[in-house]
Amino acid sequence: DSGVTQTPKHLITATGQRVTLRCSPRSGDLSVYWYQQSLDQGLQFLIQYYNGEERAKGNILERFSAQQFPDLHSELNLSSLELGDSALYFCASSGTKTGGPYNEQFFGPGTRLTVL
Amino acid sequence: GQQLNQSPQSMFIQEGEDVSMNCTSSSIFNTWLWYKQDPGEGPVLLIALYKAGELTSNGRLTAQFGITRKDSFLNISASIPSDVGIYFCAGGSPGANSKLTFGKGITLSVRP
Repeated sequence: DSGVTQTPKHLITATGQRVTLRCSPRSGDLSVYWYQQSLDQGLQFLIQYYNGEERAKGNILERFSAQQFPDLHSELNLSSLELGDSALYFCASSGTKTGGPYNEQFFGPGTRLTVL
Repeated sequence: GQQLNQSPQSMFIQEGEDVSMNCTSSSIFNTWLWYKQDPGEGPVLLIALYKAGELTSNGRLTAQFGITRKDSFLNISASIPSDVGIYFCAGGSPGANSKLTFGKGITLSVRP
């Protein structure tokens, strides 16, 4: 158990809909990262938040957005969903108030999103 | 952008054999990490390397940070069926803003 939790575990929805994925980082971790993993694809970095602020953006679509709340949990919002958005979405966390190692990211169990 | 190369995409070995995987980059990284992912689960950190030339072991796993800082390898000795999974390498740079760059992963199959 990495200490990172994600809900829901599975999500099935229809095209055009909007969903919210939730992540709670390991206790004390300040950074949260979101990744998308599709079949035949590796881990695609979407976005990073550090202590409530956006710090880095990857291949995140404009239809997707994220935020990190004062209690450090994060939400990834996916809107106008398309069939191609079906994937595993992972959250990872790292870094504490007392310092790193920031590179050691710990992953949650993921949310499997299926868009029908 | 930065890319990490892992090949081959799949490896098939016999139980009890050793296997070595490497990861190369055109860019320098300050950190190399190796993760294992079981089907439907999140990647699990196996080994983290922070110094060029560093050799670190974790049970039957040994990983090294290349001297050029552009490569790393992971060795698994005396493989067992539960070693099956996808092995990802990742490179990182220092600091709180740092993100990891992942390779595409190698799927390891172990024949009993």
